[in-house]
Amino acid sequence: NAGVTQTPKFRVLKTGQSMTLLCAQDMNHEYMYWYRQDPGMGLRLIHYSVGEGTTAKGEVPDGYNVSRLKKQNFLLGLESAAPSQTSVYFCASSYDPRLYEQYFGPGTRLTVT
Amino acid sequence: EDQVTQSPEALRLQEGESSSLNCSYTVSGLRGLFWYRQDPGKGPEFLFTLYSAGEEKEKERLKATLTKKESFLHITAPKPEDSATYLCAVQAGNTDKLIFGTGTRLQVFP
Repeated sequence: NAGVTQTPKFRVLKTGQSMTLLCAQDMNHEYMYWYRQDPGMGLRLIHYSVGEGTTAKGEVPDGYNVSRLKKQNFLLGLESAAPSQTSVYFCASSYDPRLYEQYFGPGTRLTVT
Repeated sequence: EDQVTQSPEALRLQEGESSSLNCSYTVSGLRGLFWYRQDPGKGPEFLFTLYSAGEEKEKERLKATLTKKESFLHITAPKPEDSATYLCAVQAGNTDKLIFGTGTRLQVFP
């Protein structure tokens, strides 16, 4: 039981490049989330999904897109990376957030130069 | 606006020196308050969920309590391995989302 996994662990991009971050969970959770964590800012929600085929905007969605084609996977895309997107990205999942906690992945450290 | 504030930002303790971390919140209809532990370079790890004022939960040297305005994470006789950042998050009654505080960075010295 791997829990929540994220790939890659580290990535360096140049301004304007694109990339996709992959999150996978093997707990059969309906809900999945993408957060970014910046010093002094706490964890901020980018996008989330309440089930396969659904997505919704969080607190800071601009510049990001997501897809949830399979229940176990949640992809975060950056179409044209900007230095302001330098951050640590965490994926999380939950069976039902009204009753249960979120489980977090190990994070992806992204640097945009 | 829903908000979570944690204090202090950083706390240095001698091994065995008990203390408390504070999480104050304003939220419309609290559904749950969550405490997480985060080690450097890792994702947050779930510790506790509290649902109603007066509720308490314990795990080893940690004890979390909840009132209508704030939560405390009490650390009794801490050890160096308790060093980490402790995050507090709240869930409002009408959402599926968590609002996180900025955390308290705890360092425990031998």
